[in-house]
Amino acid sequence: GAVVSQHPSWVICKSGTSVKIECRSLDFQATTMFWYRQFPKQSLMLMATSNEGSKATYEQGVEKDKFLINHASLTLSTLTVTSAHPEDSSFYICSARVGGARNQPQHFGDGTRLSIL
Amino acid sequence: EDQVTQSPEALRLQEGESSSLNCSYTVSGLRGLFWYRQDPGKGPEFLFTLYSAGEEKEKERLKATLTKKESFLHITAPKPEDSATYLCAVHWGGGGYNKLIFGAGTRLAVHP
Repeated sequence: GAVVSQHPSWVICKSGTSVKIECRSLDFQATTMFWYRQFPKQSLMLMATSNEGSKATYEQGVEKDKFLINHASLTLSTLTVTSAHPEDSSFYICSARVGGARNQPQHFGDGTRLSIL
Repeated sequence: EDQVTQSPEALRLQEGESSSLNCSYTVSGLRGLFWYRQDPGKGPEFLFTLYSAGEEKEKERLKATLTKKESFLHITAPKPEDSATYLCAVHWGGGGYNKLIFGAGTRLAVHP
């Protein structure tokens, strides 16, 4: 149980294009999903909290217009990297929490490796 | 500043050589401590949740314990397939109520 699917797993694109990453909870409903970014040999840094039916909450320093988040259903959240540039290249990982309690564990997707040329 | 610190940064073990990984935290109002395993190029895989000091959880060769200041992940008789990065994360009742703070991880390599 508690499976989170993330697509695509790898994206290579030209600078200036926009890239959409999907995060789905396959066997549970998730009112809250989270988007993280991870640099090589570093830990996960929370970018934003995605709430179903409302606006996402972004962490300090994360550009809202650069990283668009949509959480239109209880099983799907999307992250769109707009006008991507080489500095946006990274490993992006989503997670979802089972149940309503905020101290329940988050379950993670397998990540999306984004490479901007 | 609220922090989560993991040690050692890297650990090399021989197969069967038991050891412990440490996660110390300075957050106040701990609401839960989580251990994850991350393989290269993959997302973290949930292992354990600990909620209160004195609590212990076990799964196969892994055992997690929690005190008021730190958590240990004990690995008994590890096998090469236990090689991974182990992350701990803390959920606390501060301003960012929904937020997990992750440690930098311990990279474990188990050699046959």
